[in-house]
Amino acid sequence: AQSVTQPDIHITVSEGASLELRCNYSYGATPYLFWYVQSPGQGLQLLLKYFSGDTLVQGIKGFEAEFKRSQSSFNLRKPSVHWSDAAEYFCAVASSGNTPLVFGKGTRLSVIA
Amino acid sequence: DGGITQSPKYLFRKEGQNVTLSCEQNLNHDAMYWYRQDPGQGLRLIYYSQIVNDFQKGDIAEGYSVSREKKESFPLTVTSAQKNPTAFYLCASTLQGFTDTEAFFGQGTRLTVV
Repeated sequence: AQSVTQPDIHITVSEGASLELRCNYSYGATPYLFWYVQSPGQGLQLLLKYFSGDTLVQGIKGFEAEFKRSQSSFNLRKPSVHWSDAAEYFCAVASSGNTPLVFGKGTRLSVIA
Repeated sequence: DGGITQSPKYLFRKEGQNVTLSCEQNLNHDAMYWYRQDPGQGLRLIYYSQIVNDFQKGDIAEGYSVSREKKESFPLTVTSAQKNPTAFYLCASTLQGFTDTEAFFGQGTRLTVV
């Protein structure tokens, strides 16, 4: 069964600094990979997804992620963080198009002035 | 506007009582899902349904039940058998799977057992 690991429970960055959130997955074949963001007490919003092709994917709000098969990773990056990016971020994986997502435990991002 | 609606936003339940959480979508999506979220645990799948009148257990189905009598509705019942029901519950829907179109999530229901 596939699994997702987000090693960082909580990250604090300064506004304007760069950001990288780590995600490692466990699955034999090429999985379907996602990053979602959740504001407190809200539902989830899709930031970006990777199915195949170019391993660097662009998402909304200036986020991007890179799929690295050799490292089983799908890290999320942003060159310059804004205070409004403070939220919880979830990496998720699906083994095929019709299977439910398996989520990581999330990384909470705090942004300081 | 199309979307997915969960109600109520907050729900309090006495121990030993069953309670039903509502999830409705007007997106004409075939698949619907229930996830449970606990602090530091991420989202864990309770049940999902890919077509009307059919549903499958997820990873933590014990103590929960669902029905899918209509395409737009997927209510979740938290039964008295669920030992630790206090959590944030999220409903989601997709056209068929999570890869064909963007998944829509509801705003969640926070259930507290008192």
